[in-house]
Amino acid sequence: QKEVEQDPGPLSVPEGAIVSLNCTYSNSAFQYFMWYRQYSRKGPELLMYTYSSGNKEDGRFTAQVDKSSKYISLFIRDSQPSDSATYLCAMSAKGSARQLTFGSGTQLTVLP
Amino acid sequence: DAGVIQSPRHEVTEMGQEVTLRCKPISGHDYLFWYRQTMMRGLELLIYFNNNVPIDDSGMPEDRFSAKMPNASFSTLKIQPSEPRDSAVYFCASRLLRSNTGELFFGEGSRLTVL
Repeated sequence: QKEVEQDPGPLSVPEGAIVSLNCTYSNSAFQYFMWYRQYSRKGPELLMYTYSSGNKEDGRFTAQVDKSSKYISLFIRDSQPSDSATYLCAMSAKGSARQLTFGSGTQLTVLP
Repeated sequence: DAGVIQSPRHEVTEMGQEVTLRCKPISGHDYLFWYRQTMMRGLELLIYFNNNVPIDDSGMPEDRFSAKMPNASFSTLKIQPSEPRDSAVYFCASRLLRSNTGELFFGEGSRLTVL
């Protein structure tokens, strides 16, 4: 079993829809949780960062972490065609290296 | 800052040939990571360096793979001899030790095709 599981999709939604992306993990030492966005033929870029449990909102994006269930989510409100990308969850434990473990990524297409 | 710079962006080679991928991290960053991305396996960490010293190479798949970081502004990933199963996108990433988020900054990747 992988340390981080993520549904690869693909996921296709109409413009304006609410999108929910999720990851589960097995390592209880994970404290730092991130979502990276990767456009086609580009490198991943950090989209959202959360430390420990709770919610974080940034514009149309909300990240949620439930450590008791080992489950994290990313919500996208009023989705736009420009949101079409692969979304990767990533997480790490404490320590100076804070080595990230990535999910396999969910490919999202927002149709105009 | 120009960001993490990788070269070449695309490489097509024949089985058995040597491949060298290059990376220039963001100036001042303490850590450098090499990842490989495929559809089947996603993003896999191959090796990472701290202040030019290799720390963990447990992700390097075989002895055919080697990585060096001769100075703070340059790293190479070498595959010799290359095989078709090495076909993937190879990413280099760097980050600061003193980063609250631990954010990784990725290059645009080197797409390798081994025929």
